[in-house]
Amino acid sequence: DGGITQSPKYLFRKEGQNVTLSCEQNLNHDAMYWYRQDPGQGLRLIYYSQIVNDFQKGDIAEGYSVSREKKESFPLTVTSAQKNPTAFYLCASSPRPPNTEAFFGQGTRLTVV
Amino acid sequence: AQSVSQHNHHVILSEAASLELGCNYSYGGTVNLFWYVQYPGQHLQLLLKYFSGDPLVKGIKGFEAEFIKSKFSFNLRKPSVQWSDTAEYFCAVNPSGGSYIPTFGRGTSLIVHP
Repeated sequence: DGGITQSPKYLFRKEGQNVTLSCEQNLNHDAMYWYRQDPGQGLRLIYYSQIVNDFQKGDIAEGYSVSREKKESFPLTVTSAQKNPTAFYLCASSPRPPNTEAFFGQGTRLTVV
Repeated sequence: AQSVSQHNHHVILSEAASLELGCNYSYGGTVNLFWYVQYPGQHLQLLLKYFSGDPLVKGIKGFEAEFIKSKFSFNLRKPSVQWSDTAEYFCAVNPSGGSYIPTFGRGTSLIVHP
């Protein structure tokens, strides 16, 4: 089945530790995105990548880092510099414009303890 | 940069009631418009989309939305809701040219009582 796989589904992290969230897609989409979802705030864009080896900061990139070494993979690292990392993280991808409907993974819920 | 406003944050309805969720966007150029739905415990999925043509678009499960360019609006409607429509609904917009990065509204939580 084609789709987007995020792992793990739940993640616990101690304060001060970096953690990497995985996102893999087999839809052959060029663009990939990371969003953070908090109650009442909708989806806020962290980083996006439109082609391999290139990515751009979104609205709330501070404390996060990404890489795009392969078309199908777009991992997100939540660093210790992120002041409030506990959240639900969503990865998405979309095909080349103009058909730009986004497809989402199941999400990863990160809790900092 | 574009932005999206959803006016209703929480909506509670009884089954068979009619639904309208408001969505307004700010962007000066041509846009693509979307409504996504997130059922409890499930991933976000597309409900309907507007790229061009007929401003009244129909989506899955009896939902429809109307694009009114003069009002920068893309309201979601359903004539008769069901308990299974309980979910969170997100309006999204991306410019038709340029980066095509989707911007989402804050979401509307809909609860339908049986």
